[in-house]
Amino acid sequence: TQLLEQSPQFLSIQEGENLTVYCNSSSVFSSLQWYRQEPGEGPVLLVTVVTGGEVKKLKRLTFQFGDARKDSSLHITAAQPGDTGLYLCGCDRGSTLGRLYFGRGTQLTVWP
Amino acid sequence: DAGVTQSPTHLIKTRGQHVTLRCSPISGHKSVSWYQQVLGQGPQFIFQYYEKEERGRGNFPDRFSARQFPNYSSELNVNALLLGDSALYLCASSFSGGTREQYFGPGTRLTVT
Repeated sequence: TQLLEQSPQFLSIQEGENLTVYCNSSSVFSSLQWYRQEPGEGPVLLVTVVTGGEVKKLKRLTFQFGDARKDSSLHITAAQPGDTGLYLCGCDRGSTLGRLYFGRGTQLTVWP
Repeated sequence: DAGVTQSPTHLIKTRGQHVTLRCSPISGHKSVSWYQQVLGQGPQFIFQYYEKEERGRGNFPDRFSARQFPNYSSELNVNALLLGDSALYLCASSFSGGTREQYFGPGTRLTVT
């Protein structure tokens, strides 16, 4: 059983469309992180959300942490081909052991 | 500033062989974590080292070992390679032993034939 469930697993859209991907769990987290990974590269940290209900914006990307701190969403407005990649959510469960737990990710493809 | 670096980029080994992967953290970072990412999955935690001591170990067999050097660089060793060890091996560094934000290297793609 995955600690973090991400949906959808795959998403293929046209440039200019909006999309939302989700990260859900039955556990409560002290923080949650979103990463984007391109083929052959390591994940790149996009944002960390800490407070329940928190909303953070990074250009066309909007991240929200659920009020109960069990889930998060990533919304992309007017997607561009450069947004293509694997979007991963990760958490540390409040430990200090340098251990992140990841979901399986959402593979996003944006076509020109 | 240079990010996390890993070597080699790609590696092909035969079953039963041994492999050593290397990682240099961001300057000033003292914690290094190793992850295995198989195709279609998110990264799975293998080890964390902080100040040259092992601070955490994931659910991997004893064939996997690691160490951290005085300059905070790290090596991951895998003995008696199996086909299932084929994966992208990622190294991540952070300033302290805390986990909140980790910065990943580009990874080493290991193929076991």
